[in-house]
Formats: sequence, C-alpha cells, structure tokens
Amino acid sequence: DAGVTQSPTHLIKTRGQQVTLRCSPISGHKSVSWYQQVLGQGPQFIFQYYEKEERGRGNFPDRFSARQFPNYSSELNVNALLLGDSALYLCASSLGNEQYFGPGTRLTVT
Amino acid sequence: GIQVEQSPPDLILQEGANSTLRCNFSDSVNNLQWFHQNPWGQLINLFYIPSGTKQNGRLSATTVATERYSLLYISSSQTTDSGVYFCAATNTGFQKLVFGTGTRLLVSP
Repeated sequence: DAGVTQSPTHLIKTRGQQVTLRCSPISGHKSVSWYQQVLGQGPQFIFQYYEKEERGRGNFPDRFSARQFPNYSSELNVNALLLGDSALYLCASSLGNEQYFGPGTRLTVT
Repeated sequence: GIQVEQSPPDLILQEGANSTLRCNFSDSVNNLQWFHQNPWGQLINLFYIPSGTKQNGRLSATTVATERYSLLYISSSQTTDSGVYFCAATNTGFQKLVFGTGTRLLVSP
C-alpha cells in the first residue's frame, strides 16, 4: 500500500511570494495534519483536518492556511513568505490515533 | 499544553552496543509515538505506545503512563540505526502531536 505522499519534494521561493504544498493521505485515512520542522528542532503542529473540517490549529500566523478535499487530500498555503518559513513541511495522515508521516517538502525562502 | 522532553540529546555508540532513550511528558496522554528520522527527513514509525510494552525485533519500548515517561531500547545497535529519534505525545481531542527535541544517535562501525 502506498504511504503518505507529498509534492513537491523541494521548492525554492523568494520572500513575499506564496506557496502551495500538497499531501495525499494513506488510502482510507480521513484525517490529515501538517507540521513544520525547522533545522535542528522537532516538528511543530500547524493544522489538523478531518472530513474537510479544521479540527485544530497550532501557533502559526494567519499567513498559513490549509484545506482538505473530498478525496481527503490536502493543501497547505503560505502567503507573504518570510526567510523564517524555510523548513521541512511534513504531512501526516491517520485513521485512529496513530499518525503516519510523508517524506516532506523542503521549502527554501531566499 | 503538554511538554515533552527527551534525553540524552546526543548518543555515540559502537556497533553492537545497547542503548536506552528516555522521554518524559508533563501530563497524561492519549497518544505517544516514537519515530526515527532518517537523513532525508522521513519520519519512520517505530511504536505507537500510550501505555504498556511493545517489541519489534531489536527495538522495544515501554511507557509508564502513571509516572509520565517512556523508554526506547535499542539492542545490538547497527550503523543503520543512526539518525534522530523523536518521541511525540498528545492529550488533546484532536491529534496535535507535541514532539520532543530528539536524541541524535550515531553508531560507528
């Protein structure tokens, strides 16, 4: 069975631009969560979506937004990019409590 | 919110040695997971263990929920065990995992 997939793998953007990251959950999983991992730290929770509804939001500015589609895939959008947004963005899917992570999208903001 | 602390921050072992990684958490949990992050950033699930003991090959884990800690045991370590080990926990109704700062393991041949 395919695991969680994310696209793109790598991305380079300029300050002030907008970016969209994509995630496809494991088949049958209805919940998707997004995390940001800055170099040298553990991942930080951004959002969780379940059945297209936002169920939780971490301590991130409104420049970060997300949505979930009827097929349970999800997009994370970040507007007005800052240098500090450079990080590995991880998507996780779950059926129950246990979360399974994708390979991540590495975003570099220059 | 819940806080998660891991120790030691760094660990260097010779191949074949055993090790114990510790995770302390500040409140009761309904989810606790151990992950291994490989050099490419992929988080690999090791254990889902909010309580009790589990074993998978050379790895085992124990969570003592009443005392708010979890231990990950690695026996007969191999160079492929190198990487960062994360403990993550949550006690919310939605699945907001709070990660520790990780233990960086280096196994030398």
